Amino acid sequence: AQSVTQLGSHVSVSEGALVLLRCNYSSSVPPYLFWYVQYPNQGLQLLLKYTTGATLVKGINGFEAEFKKSETSFHLTKPSAHMSDAAEYFCAVSASGTYKYIFGTGTRLKVLA
Amino acid sequence: DAGVIQSPRHEVTEMGQEVTLRCKPISGHNSLFWYRQTMMRGLELLIYFNNNVPIDDSGMPEDRFSAKMPNASFSTLKIQPSEPRDSAVYFCASSSLVGGTNEKLFFGSGTQLSVL
Repeated sequence: AQSVTQLGSHVSVSEGALVLLRCNYSSSVPPYLFWYVQYPNQGLQLLLKYTTGATLVKGINGFEAEFKKSETSFHLTKPSAHMSDAAEYFCAVSASGTYKYIFGTGTRLKVLA
Repeated sequence: DAGVIQSPRHEVTEMGQEVTLRCKPISGHNSLFWYRQTMMRGLELLIYFNNNVPIDDSGMPEDRFSAKMPNASFSTLKIQPSEPRDSAVYFCASSSLVGGTNEKLFFGSGTQLSVL
């Protein structure tokens, strides 16, 4: 069985500050991990993914995430927040050989001027 | 490519009416998902199709919900009769299933359904 927990349904940061959105997963098989972003009135878009190989993955718009097996975590970071980063972010888990995605409940990021 | 296209963007209907949501997946994709998003439950998978065949409909809430995929370029989600608790945003997503895995989902813009 697989599950995802996103800590913090709302996160506020100042423009230019570090963005850290937390995601912990549970999986009985090696996980595939994803971060998706949803802008207002739009569908979700893939930010980045980890399947195998390098544990630090870089995505679009300056975001990156690190797969830490020992901590069962896949936190999303960005060194400097921009106003355009304000959106809802979803962590998701899947696995090789399965079509299923399990999405977290989402974290709404607010960027303060 | 135009991406995943959903229609209508907004639907307001009265309780008891039939509602049909439509989706055109990205050409060449062989997987199609219908999701429902609400504040209370987040994103819920309703049904999954592969090569136009329903593989997993365990997320369909009840018999009032039905989904079809008559060909690779079109799918519908129907609610009959609709109820106020069906109010939500319904997303369609498509993907290419490779090695049994969907590594990237492409979402449509969603249909905001309000049942009065």
